[in-house]
Amino acid sequence: GDSVTQMEGPVTLSEEAFLTINCTYTATGYPSLFWYVQYPGEGLQLLLKATKADDKGSNKGFEATYRKETTSFHLEKGSVQVSDSAVYFCALRAGGQNFVFGPGTRLSVLP
Amino acid sequence: ETGVTQSPTHLIKTRGQQVTLRCSSQSGHNTVSWYQQALGQGPQFIFQYYREEENGRGNFPPRFSGLQFPNYSSELNVNALELDDSALYLCASSLDWAASTEAFFGQGTRLTVV
Repeated sequence: GDSVTQMEGPVTLSEEAFLTINCTYTATGYPSLFWYVQYPGEGLQLLLKATKADDKGSNKGFEATYRKETTSFHLEKGSVQVSDSAVYFCALRAGGQNFVFGPGTRLSVLP
Repeated sequence: ETGVTQSPTHLIKTRGQQVTLRCSSQSGHNTVSWYQQALGQGPQFIFQYYREEENGRGNFPPRFSGLQFPNYSSELNVNALELDDSALYLCASSLDWAASTEAFFGQGTRLTVV
């Protein structure tokens, strides 16, 4: 079945550092790819998405590019802030199907 | 436009009891799905409803059941609760179930089974 793999956390960075969270996927169809973020005690919020190969999703300084050849969708941000501390989930959705989530990567940003 | 709301936010049940969780979908959304998120893990798909019909189910036993109402709100029912059912239950609504359509999540219901 479809699956998503993310880099192990937690990730701890200093404020203004560069962030990369790796995500790779396995899918039989041609899925859309998503990053969701979960702040403590809350549900999931959509951060960005990409629906076809070479698409770049971006939002709030975060970006990720749909790479079909490497089946990857790595999340990047050039300069993280303390307020970015959260758990980040990579997910895929194939047509007519549910979301399949990775295990999540906890990010802590220190001032 | 209101978002996805879930109730209650927290509850504690005893093993063997039954529980009903509720979800109001975002205005205009006809697709609702439920996910179980155990502590420190990613959400796992329970089932999905589209226009009051279940149109997808994950690897959960039949004691997990649901409903979707004409206004597209939804319920998740769990019978014969087990300790391992303790988790955050997330409801998500979307405009449809196309691959490109994002889902909007509620804040979740934290269920503790003792």
